[in-house]
Formats: sequence, C-alpha cells, structure tokens
Amino acid sequence: IAGITQAPTSQILAAGRRMTLRCTQDMRHNAMYWYRQDLGLGLRLIHYSNTAGTTGKGEVPDGYSVSRANTDDFPLTLASAVPSQTSVYFCASRGASTDTQYFGPGTRLTVL
Amino acid sequence: AQSVTQPDIHITVSEGASLELRCNYSYGATPYLFWYVQSPGQGLQLLLKYFSGDTLVQGIKGFEAEFKRSQSSFNLRKPSVHWSDAAEYFCAARSGAGSYQLTFGKGTKLSVIP
Repeated sequence: IAGITQAPTSQILAAGRRMTLRCTQDMRHNAMYWYRQDLGLGLRLIHYSNTAGTTGKGEVPDGYSVSRANTDDFPLTLASAVPSQTSVYFCASRGASTDTQYFGPGTRLTVL
Repeated sequence: AQSVTQPDIHITVSEGASLELRCNYSYGATPYLFWYVQSPGQGLQLLLKYFSGDTLVQGIKGFEAEFKRSQSSFNLRKPSVHWSDAAEYFCAARSGAGSYQLTFGKGTKLSVIP
C-alpha cells in the first residue's frame, strides 16, 4: 500500500509558468487537503476537498486552483507561478470515520 | 480568531532526558487537539490526539500529552528522549463543530544531543 504519493519530488520553475502538482491516494479517503509549509509559518491550508466533485478554499488559496474529478486524485495548479509560491507542498487525506490526516512526502517547489 | 501557538521554536535536549513541548490554543470552545511529528525530509505523522475524556492521552513512540482546559494547553511529553526523536513537532487543532480543517502551530524543532 503506497498511501499518498506526490509528484514531482522537487521542481525549479520560472516565474510566470504554469505548474501542476500531483497527489494520488490509494486509501479511498473522501477528504483531501493541500498545505504549504514555510519556515517559521508552519503548515497553512491552501485548498481542500471533502468528497469527489467538491472543493473549498483554505487559509491561503490565492494563486492556486484544485480539482477533484475522482476519489484518488487531487491536483494543485499554479496558473502563473510567482516567487512567493516557493515552498514545500504537502498533500493529505482523511477517511470518513477518522480525524487522522495522512500526509504525502511533499513537493519542494522553487520559483525563480 | 482561532489559533494554535507553540512558544518554543527550537529545543535541545540530551539523549535520555525528559521532554516537554508546549502548545496553547485559542478557540471559542474546546477544540479537538493533535500532535504531529515531521522527520527531516518527510511528511507529517500523527503522534496522538485528544477529543474528550481522560485528559492524559498516550500516543505512539512513547509520547503522551496532557490537556489542561484552565491553561488552554496541550503539552507533549516524553520521559526519556532518544536520538531518533530529533524532528519537528506540530500541534494542531480543529473545532468540534463539524469542520475537519486543521489549524497548525508553527512548529518546534527538537534537537537531541548524544
């Protein structure tokens, strides 16, 4: 069982480029989340999805979009990357009967 | 506004010593509380959680945490630290009102001296 996978592991991106971070889980969890982690700021929620077909905004959604076409995948898109989006991005999922969020290994993104 | 505060950015302890990591919350009602650990280069792993009942909760890896309503605190403890406990620790909370969104503290980095 892989749990949650994220791709790519790391990426360097030119400002203004479009980028999609991928997240896939094999636990059939209903809820999925995207966080960014910045030094000294902890984790902040970008977007979430409580179930396939629905999404919601978190604390820092500007500049990001998500989709949830099916249960397993929850891609995060940066339409036009800016340097302030340099961060480590974590995807997480949660089953319907639990409060535990399971985290992926993260994607380190650098925007130059 | 709801918030979670971890007052200590970085703590260093000797291997075998006891450990206490502080966490304070600011919520209208008692939230659900969590401690996560992040090893270098890894994602977060749940150590323990508190919803209600016994205020002392046991978690994995020998950790425990105590909920103190009067102090709005949920401090993490371990009687004897191992070198492998070196990591970053995050306290998190969510309201009990049906929202499963977590608010994280900024984290405490733990260094362990051999």
